[in-house]
Amino acid sequence: AQRVTQPEKLLSVFKGAPVELKCNYSYSGSPELFWYVQYSRQRLQLLLRHISRESIKGFTADLNKGETSFHLKKPFAQEEDSAMYYCALSRADSSYKLIFGSGTRLLVRP
Amino acid sequence: DAGITQSPRHKVTETGTPVTLRCHQTENHRYMYWYRQDPGHGLRLIHYSYGVKDTDKGEVSDGYSVSRSKTEDFLLTLESATSSQTSVYFCAISDKAGGDVAAEQFFGPGTRLTVL
Repeated sequence: AQRVTQPEKLLSVFKGAPVELKCNYSYSGSPELFWYVQYSRQRLQLLLRHISRESIKGFTADLNKGETSFHLKKPFAQEEDSAMYYCALSRADSSYKLIFGSGTRLLVRP
Repeated sequence: DAGITQSPRHKVTETGTPVTLRCHQTENHRYMYWYRQDPGHGLRLIHYSYGVKDTDKGEVSDGYSVSRSKTEDFLLTLESATSSQTSVYFCAISDKAGGDVAAEQFFGPGTRLTVL
């Protein structure tokens, strides 16, 4: 069965510290992985996806098929990064359905 | 924000009453989804639609039904609301990207439903 696991419910760091939000997945095919973010009082929105291989707001994520992981990283956290982060997996079928992890709340303290 | 609205934004109802939530889009996207968001569970797919009158179940579809009679509207109905259906409900839309690439989903603002 397809599953996305985010082991941390809450991650608290100080401003300027490195951040790593963990995401592991189980899927027998070739998945597409995403990170979505929900800032306070805003809509859930796409942060980045593995096929783009780009850095958004200083965040990067590398798909590691051997470890079935897609961890989100940022070298220096900012207070405005405080938000709820969801890792999601899309199945390689025509429905484009997403399977979400349970989410990690990132709190960046001054 | 993509042209997605949800109504109502907040609703309090009693156990056993029917409830209908509406998702309206102005993007002419083919795919529409209903999720519920609960602490510790993230977002879970309830139902989705891949075209007018074409719908299918998600992972938590029991107690819910949907209808899509027009491209722009996707209705979620709780036939007889229960307290376990207290949640925040999100609608999302997407369109087919190029090739076999999964398309980005765009989310609505959410509806907070409380069933007493």
